[in-house]
Amino acid sequence: AQSVAQPEDQVNVAEGNPLTVKCTYSVSGNPYLFWYVQYPNRGLQFLLKYITGDNLVKGSYGFEAEFNKSQTSFHLKKPSALVSDSALYFCAVRVPGAGTALIFGKGTTLSVSS
Amino acid sequence: GAVVSQHPSRVICKSGTSVKIECRSLDFQATTMFWYRQFPKQSLMLMATSNEGSKATYEQGVEKDKFLINHASLTLSTLTVTSAHPEDSSFYICSASGGPNNEQFFGPGTRLTVL
Repeated sequence: AQSVAQPEDQVNVAEGNPLTVKCTYSVSGNPYLFWYVQYPNRGLQFLLKYITGDNLVKGSYGFEAEFNKSQTSFHLKKPSALVSDSALYFCAVRVPGAGTALIFGKGTTLSVSS
Repeated sequence: GAVVSQHPSRVICKSGTSVKIECRSLDFQATTMFWYRQFPKQSLMLMATSNEGSKATYEQGVEKDKFLINHASLTLSTLTVTSAHPEDSSFYICSASGGPNNEQFFGPGTRLTVL
């Protein structure tokens, strides 16, 4: 079955430190990969996506993610965390040829302390 | 990016009543709209996929007679929770896809509380 895994329920980092939010996937073919952020009682905001090309993708608010095909991973990173980055982060995949529906991971809560 | 709106943003209703939630794509034509349900601190669960002018496709375990979806135009889809009960209380999020890349854009969500 197609699935997305976010192994950490919560990630805690200090402001100014680098952050990583992990995501691995198990899908057939070459998936499209996405990261979204959700603030309390709000919808999802798009951060970045990987379709093809350069494995390192840069997105909104200074975030980036690296696609690793051999490890089937798409970890989200930021060199220097901000308190305002504290939110719920979702990794998602879309399988080409299987419509446009997204398969979401369970989400990771990022908490950045000052 | 494209804008998707939802109305209302928050609704409180009595058990047994029906509630309609609207999802609109404001600046693009959405060939497909999706409805998700999200429980506290959990992921989004796809409920159904709807294409303009055709019947919605429901995910396994989602009652189509309970959650009525109408996608009457390329910019509007509605989700009606019929005879709502407290267990239907949740955060409902829609998304719309369209354009050359068929990218999905998410609405801000609707918080439904059934008393």
